[in-house]
Amino acid sequence: GQNIDQPTEMTATEGAIVQINCTYQTSGFNGLFWYQQHAGEAPTFLSYNVLDGLEEKGRFSSFLSRSKGYSYLLLKELQMKDSASYLCAVRANSGGYQKVTFGIGTKLQVIP
Amino acid sequence: DAMVIQNPRYQVTQFGKPVTLSCSQTLNHNVMYWYQQKSSQAPKLLFHYYDKDFNNEADTPDNFQSRRPNTSFCFLDIRSPGLGDAAMYLCATSRGQGSRTQYFGPGTRLLVL
Repeated sequence: GQNIDQPTEMTATEGAIVQINCTYQTSGFNGLFWYQQHAGEAPTFLSYNVLDGLEEKGRFSSFLSRSKGYSYLLLKELQMKDSASYLCAVRANSGGYQKVTFGIGTKLQVIP
Repeated sequence: DAMVIQNPRYQVTQFGKPVTLSCSQTLNHNVMYWYQQKSSQAPKLLFHYYDKDFNNEADTPDNFQSRRPNTSFCFLDIRSPGLGDAAMYLCATSRGQGSRTQYFGPGTRLLVL
């Protein structure tokens, strides 16, 4: 099975930078995703990492270290609309197919 | 334009009364997924279709069934809903299992009375 850990809640100030960490334990690793989910809405895709290193996309960056089972999502120039849950999800080979397992999500509150 | 469509957005059913949730997609993706997400919890994969090949998660209750009559449509049938089945049900699609992302529909929130 897979075990995914991320903080349940974080608070950050508008305009600041926040880093949301995710650690995982799995076999057959084949990619890590970050999704944003506003309350009552579906998750929306933010980033995908399968190789070690940093992927940057506008105000959002995601980092992966496969040897450490560790990823982070970096949000810069925080805006009030960034208040949401951020879900870390890991894809791994499972019983002949590739399964994506989600973490519980980190609820980020951006304050003025 | 909506790519993954779920109807209805809100569904109320009675304890034990069968209910069907629907999902359609315009992306022509060959993989479709159904997730259950309860309040403040992670989305939990119930099952998925790879083309017509059905894959059920080991811990998905027998109460939950799925049908995929064609590439575009997938249904989630709950044969005898219990109070514990109240949740958001998310449909997602991907082009193959190794794609860079899954595309989620807006979800159907199920309430069981």
